[in-house]
Amino acid sequence: GESVGLHLPTLSVQEGDNSIINCAYSNSASDYFIWYKQESGKGPQFIIDIRSNMDKRQGQRVTVLLNKTVKHLSLQIAATQPGDSAVYFCAENGRTGTASKLTFGTGTRLQVTL
Amino acid sequence: GAVVSQHPSWVICKSGTSVKIECRSLDFQATTMFWYRQFPKQSLMLMATSNEGSKATYEQGVEKDKFLINHASLTLSTLTVTSAHPEDSSFYICSARRLEGTGETQYFGPGTRLLVL
Repeated sequence: GESVGLHLPTLSVQEGDNSIINCAYSNSASDYFIWYKQESGKGPQFIIDIRSNMDKRQGQRVTVLLNKTVKHLSLQIAATQPGDSAVYFCAENGRTGTASKLTFGTGTRLQVTL
Repeated sequence: GAVVSQHPSWVICKSGTSVKIECRSLDFQATTMFWYRQFPKQSLMLMATSNEGSKATYEQGVEKDKFLINHASLTLSTLTVTSAHPEDSSFYICSARRLEGTGETQYFGPGTRLLVL
């Protein structure tokens, strides 16, 4: 079946370093991808998105890269800060006719050490 | 940014009772809302798609008579867990879809933690 998965369940980085969180997806028909940040006990928070006609998109301290050839998505966080500690989920938007829905990956916990 | 609220934020109930959770889009209208369920240290699992003015679309394996969804207006969707049992204890999260430019983005509520005793 369709799935969105992550390579690493936990990532530990030092404050100030760059973080890279990876995600593999299997549905080549997905046209939209999103990264969410979820802190403990809270709902997911939108970070950045990218459409399938792009391969890179930059935000404030974050960059998302999309490689459709190998169905791979990554989130890069520059100068990681303690406040970045959370679980990060990638999600792909799949369409069936006019309906669309998000499928979430398993999540990666980012731990920022001082 | 878009704001989605949920009420209550947490609830404890006895087994056999029903619990209603509200999801509101505060600063935009949402014809489509979604209900997710999340167990500890796991990902979000879509339960159903809530469509304003029509019946919800449930994912495979989700009992529609157990989890009643009503999307009464463009800013409110409710999820009622009927005859709740301990295995229904979970973190329930809603999202609302907002149309933006040429695309659409889902904004999530803060979640509702349900504990069934």
